[in-house]
Amino acid sequence: GEDVEQSLFLSVREGDSSVINCTYTDSSSTYLYWYKQEPGAGLQLLTYIFSNMDMKQDQRLTVLLNKKDKHLSLRIADTQTGDSAIYFCAEIVQTGANNLFFGTGTRLTVIP
Amino acid sequence: EAQVTQNPRYLITVTGKKLTVTCSQNMNHEYMSWYRQDPGLGLRQIYYSMNVEVTDKGDVPEGYKVSRKEKRNFPLILESPSPNQTSLYFCASSAQTSGERDTQYFGPGTRLTVL
Repeated sequence: GEDVEQSLFLSVREGDSSVINCTYTDSSSTYLYWYKQEPGAGLQLLTYIFSNMDMKQDQRLTVLLNKKDKHLSLRIADTQTGDSAIYFCAEIVQTGANNLFFGTGTRLTVIP
Repeated sequence: EAQVTQNPRYLITVTGKKLTVTCSQNMNHEYMSWYRQDPGLGLRQIYYSMNVEVTDKGDVPEGYKVSRKEKRNFPLILESPSPNQTSLYFCASSAQTSGERDTQYFGPGTRLTVL
C-alpha cells in the first residue's frame, strides 16, 4: 500500500492553534482528506483538498498542501477541548477504485 | 437518515469459532470497504467491493472473506478467527465516481476480541 505518515501525539493548550502534519509518498494522489475520530466513535470527514490546490479554509480549519514535498497539514484555530480526538490524514490514488490509504493517526489532546 | 450500520458493535469470541460482522448502507453506494484499526498503524484496508459480485483484496486480506450479493450489504466473514484478528473494524461506503462525491461514509465500528 501507499505510505502515509503522521506523528502519533500532539498536545496543545485551549485557545492555541494546533497543527497536525502528514507526509505521503505517492505523487499521483488526487484527493487528500482529514478525518476525525472521537473516543468510541467512527470516522467523521472533516475536510478534503484536491491535489491541484495549495490551501483550503473552512471556518477554524485550514488545510495546506505542499505537493512538491508531499506534505499535508491541518491547522485548527482556537483549539477547544471538544477538538480532542484522533486525526487521520488519508489519500486517494486514482487507480480506478476509490481506495483510501490512511496515516497512523495523530492523537490531539487539548489541555484546559 | 443516510448511514452505514454494523453489527455487532462489540464481540468477544474464541479462536476458531466462525463469525460474521454485517455491514449495511442505505445510500445506494456502489463502493464498500472494510478496514481494521490497530494502535500505531492507523486504518488498513482488508477488502473492498466496487459493485455487486465484484470484490477485491486490500492490504491485509489474510484470514478474512467478504461477499457482495446485494448492493446494500457487505458482510465480513472470519472463518477461523485468531487472536491477531483482535481489532476495531470499520465498514465504509461511497459512490464510485471521481471527485468529492467519493467521500467515504464510515460505520460506527465493531470491536472484536478473539481469545
